[in-house]
Amino acid sequence: DAGVTQSPTHLIKTRGQQVTLRCSPKSGHDTVSWYQQALGQGPQFIFQYYEEEERQRGNFPDRFSGHQFPNYSSELNVNALLLGDSALYLCASSPRGNQPQHFGDGTRLSIL
Amino acid sequence: GNSVTQMEGPVTLSEEAFLTINCTYTATGYPSLFWYVQYPGEGLQLLLKATKADDKGSNKGFEATYRKETTSFHLEKGSVQVSDSAVYFCALYNDYKLSFGAGTTVTVRA
Repeated sequence: DAGVTQSPTHLIKTRGQQVTLRCSPKSGHDTVSWYQQALGQGPQFIFQYYEEEERQRGNFPDRFSGHQFPNYSSELNVNALLLGDSALYLCASSPRGNQPQHFGDGTRLSIL
Repeated sequence: GNSVTQMEGPVTLSEEAFLTINCTYTATGYPSLFWYVQYPGEGLQLLLKATKADDKGSNKGFEATYRKETTSFHLEKGSVQVSDSAVYFCALYNDYKLSFGAGTTVTVRA
């Protein structure tokens, strides 16, 4: 039974570029949440997708957007990258938004 | 709003020592509470959870009790091993999202 899978594992971009991160939820899960974890800090909630709609959003600018597909997989898009966007981006899935959330190993994004 | 405050680290212990990591929270309503663990280069793994007041979560020798009167969820383990070295995060779930503490780095020496 595959857990939450994220791709790519590492990514290097330059300021101003755009990036897309991908997530496949754990089997049987239909809800996907995204978190940003800066170095040495706890994860910060970006948004949650359920039934292909954004159900809840954290305190992140509109440069951060997402999408959920009919197979429940999800993408996180970040436009106009800033140096401060360098972080580990974690995807978590859960059944119908219930708990607990299961996390993937994350995508390490570095902005030069 | 929701917030979690946990004991600052780093914490360094000898094998078989007793571990406590304090966690307090602020939330509206009745959140569920969690402890997650993160090993180097990995994502978060759920360690234990509690969904209502006075519930005790336990796993792999770790325990935490949901104390509504003190808004706390302290993590304890009676005898730590080198393999318990990791970063531990306390979190609460409310309004469809997890809110995390800053994390506590624990190092166990042989």
